[in-house]
Amino acid sequence: DAGVIQSPRHEVTEMGQEVTLRCKPISGHNSLFWYRQTMMRGLELLIYFNNNVPIDDSGMPEDRFSAKMPNASFSTLKIQPSEPRDSAVYFCASSPNRGMATDTQYFGPGTRLTVL
Amino acid sequence: AQTVTQSQPEMSVQEAETVTLSCTYDTSESDYYLFWYKQPPSRQMILVIRQEAYKQQNATENRFSVNFQKAAKSFSLKISDSQLGDAAMYFCAYRSGQGAQKLVFGQGTRLTINP
Repeated sequence: DAGVIQSPRHEVTEMGQEVTLRCKPISGHNSLFWYRQTMMRGLELLIYFNNNVPIDDSGMPEDRFSAKMPNASFSTLKIQPSEPRDSAVYFCASSPNRGMATDTQYFGPGTRLTVL
Repeated sequence: AQTVTQSQPEMSVQEAETVTLSCTYDTSESDYYLFWYKQPPSRQMILVIRQEAYKQQNATENRFSVNFQKAAKSFSLKISDSQLGDAAMYFCAYRSGQGAQKLVFGQGTRLTINP
């Protein structure tokens, strides 16, 4: 089975540009999570969806960040305008959400974003 | 809010030896889950082992086992017969058993395996 797919794997952009990160969750998983990893703050949740509906977006840093999940097989995280402090690795994860311990979150390979 | 603390930024072990990584957490909940994830240089986050808080028995997965002390809120990972491929960052994570499904991560421990 294919795991969580993220694209692009690497993104280099200039300050002020719009950045869109993409994620395809594992088929059949109905929860999707976006995490950000930085040296200063470690791994932190940005937002998560259940059945395509945003449940908790309290980790989204500011209005420059937005996330959508138009269907069960696709999600985007958009940063507009981007700033150098947004440089980080962005992970997407998905899980089955059956209310069980086996609802493990499976992570994608991450997108390394560099904003110059 | 729940917090997870890994007090060892770095650890090293000789190949074939045993090493234990520490993790403590703070929560007022009684129902929750704990996880150890491994992040090798490829940066892929890989689940190593998980523990349900209601289970007294410590989880094991081949060479990996945990020492779960619920009263002390401690969740350490033991790696036996360390192999070069075990070299990675290891993250301890907490997830509530009710409501919020997000993982709360510790800061990580970088494990080096010496040949």
